[in-house]
Amino acid sequence: DADVTQTPRNRITKTGKRIMLECSQTKGHDRMYWYRQDPGLGLRLIYYSFDVKDINKGEISDGYSVSRQAQAKFSLSLESAIPNQTALYFCATRGQGTPGELFFGEGSRLTVL
Amino acid sequence: AQSVTQLDSHVSVSEGTPVLLRCNYSSSYSPSLFWYVQHPNKGLQLLLKYTSAATLVKGINGFEAEFKKSETSFHLTKPSAHMSDAAEYFCVVSLMHGSGNTGKLIFGQGTTLQVKP
Repeated sequence: DADVTQTPRNRITKTGKRIMLECSQTKGHDRMYWYRQDPGLGLRLIYYSFDVKDINKGEISDGYSVSRQAQAKFSLSLESAIPNQTALYFCATRGQGTPGELFFGEGSRLTVL
Repeated sequence: AQSVTQLDSHVSVSEGTPVLLRCNYSSSYSPSLFWYVQHPNKGLQLLLKYTSAATLVKGINGFEAEFKKSETSFHLTKPSAHMSDAAEYFCVVSLMHGSGNTGKLIFGQGTTLQVKP
């Protein structure tokens, strides 16, 4: 089994719908991240969490919200999806003392029509 | 401000020939630099990292990168490309501030490596 699991892997939805992407990890890491990947733009940070009670906005948090339900679970929500949120979303984790060493899930491809 | 620029969006090489993926960075502090690889339909995987120790860094699968402060570069190289190296590669800098490493990462735009038989 993968260390970082994302569900769903693919989702097509319509404008205005609420969408939740889920992430769970078995690495025991306290730090979890949500990134968005768009062609030619690399990855951009949406939200990150250092523990269950510590959630922080990244560079592109508008239109997104997150929930850290447990140390191992970090979900990303789009309250009212719009077409420019069509992208590949990645969850990642890392342990303390290892800046830059992220472990990624395989991604969730979201298409908003 | 800190930033990272990958100089080529697409690189094509023949199998068995050398690979060079170029990355320049901008940082007011001593940077931590990384290369990640993303194979098709997979998540990103750490290839190698530079954190102010040896300037020549060796990573997995025969890749290495050299930190050159005078040129603000961190180019990724491999002596001989394999078909399995075809992927997207990201140069990444760790965001620093006066009190140290924030833990946040800045990703380059990515370079797609094509390996021809």
